[in-house]
Amino acid sequence: AQSVTQPDIHITVSEGASLELRCNYSYGATPYLFWYVQSPGQGLQLLLKYFSGDTLVQGIKGFEAEFKRSQSSFNLRKPSVHWSDAAEYFCAVGASDSWGKLQFGAGTQVVVTP
Amino acid sequence: KAGVTQTPRYLIKTRGQQVTLSCSPISGHRSVSWYQQTPGQGLQFLFEYFSETQRNKGNFPGRFSGRQFSNSRSEMNVSTLELGDSALYLCASSTRGEAPFTQYFGPGTRLTVL
Repeated sequence: AQSVTQPDIHITVSEGASLELRCNYSYGATPYLFWYVQSPGQGLQLLLKYFSGDTLVQGIKGFEAEFKRSQSSFNLRKPSVHWSDAAEYFCAVGASDSWGKLQFGAGTQVVVTP
Repeated sequence: KAGVTQTPRYLIKTRGQQVTLSCSPISGHRSVSWYQQTPGQGLQFLFEYFSETQRNKGNFPGRFSGRQFSNSRSEMNVSTLELGDSALYLCASSTRGEAPFTQYFGPGTRLTVL
C-alpha cells in the first residue's frame, strides 16, 4: 500500500525567505504526486501535480516541486515566501490501481513571520 | 466553471442522530470522492463514486455510506453519530475517465457531534 510522509509538522519562515517542504512516498509503481494547500476553514487547493516527464514541475502561486525517484521524494519549494503563504500544506499520492483515492501525508503547517 | 460545492457548510448534531451531506461536482466530472479530516487522524479516504456506483472504499464502519445520482451529485450519510465523527468532511471531483486523475476539492462540511 502506498504511504506518504511529511517529516516536518511545523515550519516557521521569514517573509521573503525561501521555503522547502519535504515529502517522501512509498509505492511500488510510478505514483501520481500532488501538493495541496489548505487555509484555515477552507478546502484543499491544488498547487501542482506530477504524473510523468519533466521531474521539475511548476505550480500556482510561484511554487515548484521536484520528483526524485531515487530518493522517493517530491519536495515543494518557493524561492520567496509571502505572508499569504501561511497555511497547511499536504502532499498526496495516487495510484492507477486505486482509482479515486488519494493517500495524504500528515501535513506541514507553515508560519510566516514579518 | 464553478467549483465543487458542498452543503451545508456547518452542522451540529447530537450523538445517535444521523446526517446527510451533499456534494455537487464540477460540471463534467463524474467521479466524487469523500474524505474525513480530523486533527488526530488527518485526511482519510472514505469512498469514491463513479457512474452511480461505489468503486473504492476506505476503512470506515458501515455507518458511513454514500450514493451518487445520475447528475453526478453525491450524498454521504452517517448514521448513529458518535462524538468521534466530528470532523471536516471534504468531497473532491475528478473526470476519472482518463489516467491519471486530478481531484478538485470543495470547501468542506464541518460536522460537530455533541
